[in-house]
Amino acid sequence: DQQVKQNSPSLSVQEGRISILNCDYTNSMFDYFLWYKKYPAEGPTFLISISSIKDKNEDGRFTVFLNKSAKHLSLHIVPSQPGDSAVYFCAARWGSSASKIIFGSGTRLSIRP
Amino acid sequence: DGGITQSPKYLFRKEGQNVTLSCEQNLNHDAMYWYRQDPGQGLRLIYYSQIVNDFQKGDIAEGYSVSREKKESFPLTVTSAQKNPTAFYLCASSDGGAQPQHFGDGTRLSIL
Repeated sequence: DQQVKQNSPSLSVQEGRISILNCDYTNSMFDYFLWYKKYPAEGPTFLISISSIKDKNEDGRFTVFLNKSAKHLSLHIVPSQPGDSAVYFCAARWGSSASKIIFGSGTRLSIRP
Repeated sequence: DGGITQSPKYLFRKEGQNVTLSCEQNLNHDAMYWYRQDPGQGLRLIYYSQIVNDFQKGDIAEGYSVSREKKESFPLTVTSAQKNPTAFYLCASSDGGAQPQHFGDGTRLSIL
């Protein structure tokens, strides 16, 4: 039973446009959400996070939106750049222990010229 | 340069053999973790340690063992009891609590 789902395994976006990556979750106990970015042959790197008490968090070109009633979060990248091509993992956590982090299966984002 | 070092990058194991994956961090983090990634799946937690000389099982600990004798090091042994060990293994560390994890570049383990 996947508690964190990224239903789109891949996404292709034109350079300069907006990339929207989606993530759905089922556990209402999750109180903190994270996005990680992963290049081939490298480990994931932390990108941005959001607490469940917020509905939006912004960091430069990256914005994460949280809709708790729909149990849905999204990552917006504007404008998309070639270096954004990577696999993006959504993760959700409840409590302060990292043992309670659940990762989604990832979405491969490709930015085309 | 602070970070997490996993070695080797690629590892091959014969059937019935144990193999140990190395993970070293110089970030002075208290907590360390091992994850497994299979194609089309998210990262799944194998073991984690929040302090030296202490560790707990994650969701898929069967067939694996760990030790945490030093703060900097958290080696993972894939034993012969692990029936499907072929995967990409990621080590991570954090300051614990709410802090995001820092990941190494992973070790890809294959069975000969």
